[in-house]
Formats: sequence, C-alpha cells, structure tokens
Amino acid sequence: ETGVTQTPRHLVMGMTNKKSLKCEQHLGHNAMYWYKQSAKKPLELMFVYSLEERVENNSVPSRFSPECPNSSHLFLHLHTLQPEDSALYLCASSQDSGGATDTQYFGPGTRLTVL
Amino acid sequence: AQTVTQSQPEMSVQEAETVTLSCTYDTSESNYYLFWYKQPPSRQMILVIRQEAYKQQNATENRFSVNFQKAAKSFSLKISDSQLGDTAMYFCAFMKRAAGNMLTFGGGTRLMVKP
Repeated sequence: ETGVTQTPRHLVMGMTNKKSLKCEQHLGHNAMYWYKQSAKKPLELMFVYSLEERVENNSVPSRFSPECPNSSHLFLHLHTLQPEDSALYLCASSQDSGGATDTQYFGPGTRLTVL
Repeated sequence: AQTVTQSQPEMSVQEAETVTLSCTYDTSESNYYLFWYKQPPSRQMILVIRQEAYKQQNATENRFSVNFQKAAKSFSLKISDSQLGDTAMYFCAFMKRAAGNMLTFGGGTRLMVKP
C-alpha cells in the first residue's frame, strides 16, 4: 500500500454504537490530521497530531476521541453519535518539519452514516 | 482566524478551453502557504499546486497555474486545455506556518468539463 489509506471506506452505525475509523500513512510523515467533510460546508479540521502528540483539538465534541499510537497510525473512536455527524471523514498526513514541503496528503475517506 | 472564500460554487468549461477558478482569503499572517486541491468523484483529495507567500513568482504545474496577488489576497487557479479528467471539486486552502500546519479550506468550486 502506498500513500494514505483509510478503513473502512463506508460505515453505517446507530446512535448507541461504538466504532472506530482507522488511518495509516506509508509516507514516513510525522504529522496526521482528521477532517470532517459535510455537505454544503467547508472541510473542518478536527484533530492534529504532530510526533504523536495532539497539537490541536478544534472544539470537537467528546463523542469523537482520537488516538495516535505511533506516527504511522491514527484512529478516530466514535460513540453515541448523532445523525448530524454523518459525513465524509478524511485523514491526512504531512512532514511537519517546519520547512517548505509540509504539504498534506489525504486518504480516500470514510463515508459515515449515523442512523 | 483565517477565512478562505470561493465565490463560484459551480463552473463549467468546454474540453480544451481555459477556465479560471477564484479564491480570496483573509489573514493577518505574513508567512503562509496557499494550495489548490482537487477532489474527483472518487473522493481522493489530490494536491494540484501550492504557492509560498514569500515568492512573487506564480507557481505552475503543467496545465495548472496560479495568479497570486498578495496585496489583494487573491489566489486564482487557471486550468489550460481542460480535459474531461479535470471534472472535480476544487478547494482553495490556506496554511500558516506554525506547529501542526493547519489548513483552512474554502467552500469549494464544482467544475464540470464538457465534451
């Protein structure tokens, strides 16, 4: 596998379920991101991890819980979600080197539907 | 806080013709980067082109070029010789130079290339 991969690609869950989204990057990067893409809204940054430490939590509800066990893997744990949380969840990674090449590369996304 | 505005929700262009997508942004930062990302119907977000704010020369990548007007805070994307494969959502994004390198996205422009 190359680039940034995400699993599952599609997920349907009830409001009482607990599920997790997985992201893996094969680019040797040290920063990873979760974004939410809803219909008719700009992409929203949810979480940023740099060197496995959370750098930014963009006022995301606690029903979303990120986990970054190492620089290659990022999880988003979901519990007691609401129907308005239905969206495409995108993962991205970059080389947070403070240089001029910190471009973010995106995964294909997980389409989440909350019933 | 930074804001990014794409004033054209939808555009269309005939194959082989040229189209320009608009983007304006608002920031008090002096050191930043600007990006155009493409999201085809397959949903994989792909980097099209990037511009460093300190560089006066406009970035180009094959058929894609930008018109960067720093004083006007404008960053338009020109696609020359449009191809059917250019059909996608195009997002303009702003990134300030800081830990985490967080991206702020515009609302997107849906481009349809017609045969």
